[in-house]
Amino acid sequence: EPEVTQTPSHQVTQMGQEVILRCVPISNHLYFYWYRQILGQKVEFLVSFYNNEISEKSEIFDDQFSVERPDGSNFTLKIRSTKLEDSAMYFCASSDLRGETQYFGPGTRLLVL
Amino acid sequence: DQQVKQNSPSLSVQEGRISILNCDYTNSMFDYFLWYKKYPAEGPTFLISISSIKDKNEDGRFTVFLNKSAKHLSLHIVPSQPGDSAVYFCAASESQGGSEKLVFGKGTKLTVNP
Repeated sequence: EPEVTQTPSHQVTQMGQEVILRCVPISNHLYFYWYRQILGQKVEFLVSFYNNEISEKSEIFDDQFSVERPDGSNFTLKIRSTKLEDSAMYFCASSDLRGETQYFGPGTRLLVL
Repeated sequence: DQQVKQNSPSLSVQEGRISILNCDYTNSMFDYFLWYKKYPAEGPTFLISISSIKDKNEDGRFTVFLNKSAKHLSLHIVPSQPGDSAVYFCAASESQGGSEKLVFGKGTKLTVNP
């Protein structure tokens, strides 16, 4: 069964460093998303992406964040200058149609020291 | 901002019995609801969904009920199995309203005892 994959599974970084989280969505899906879950809190929406542009973003997704689909298979989330509060699980998701079920990857656990 | 609420942080049931997980929402614009299951160190796994034009959707052991007037939905698992032990998240979206984001509840940890 097709699935969303994410790399790395864990990332430890120093505050102020840039990180890139990678995702390979399900191959025929056209809509891509990033969510995050801070320990003990809800899963929160960050951004949605379609047709090579951001279609929706939350207040969390400020200028420190960016997303890109650098080729036909990868979808990346970049955090330019990480803060301690960026420590969280980051989940990528994809869906084939707008408004349809979103399928999630296993997540990347980011720890900012 | 708690648009989606799961008021029970945990639930424990015996194997073979029914598990009922509840979810309330406040945003009347939500029109698509989903349940996800999550094991530790894994991503949310889609279980079942329901559109606001329906009041029930069934898939095997899983049934979701939607009460729009009460802004309440529930997930029934019957019979419950030990492998169902996980955290269950309710999520909602305004799919017809132009938003694609899912709004999640805090989750309910289900434990099914053998």
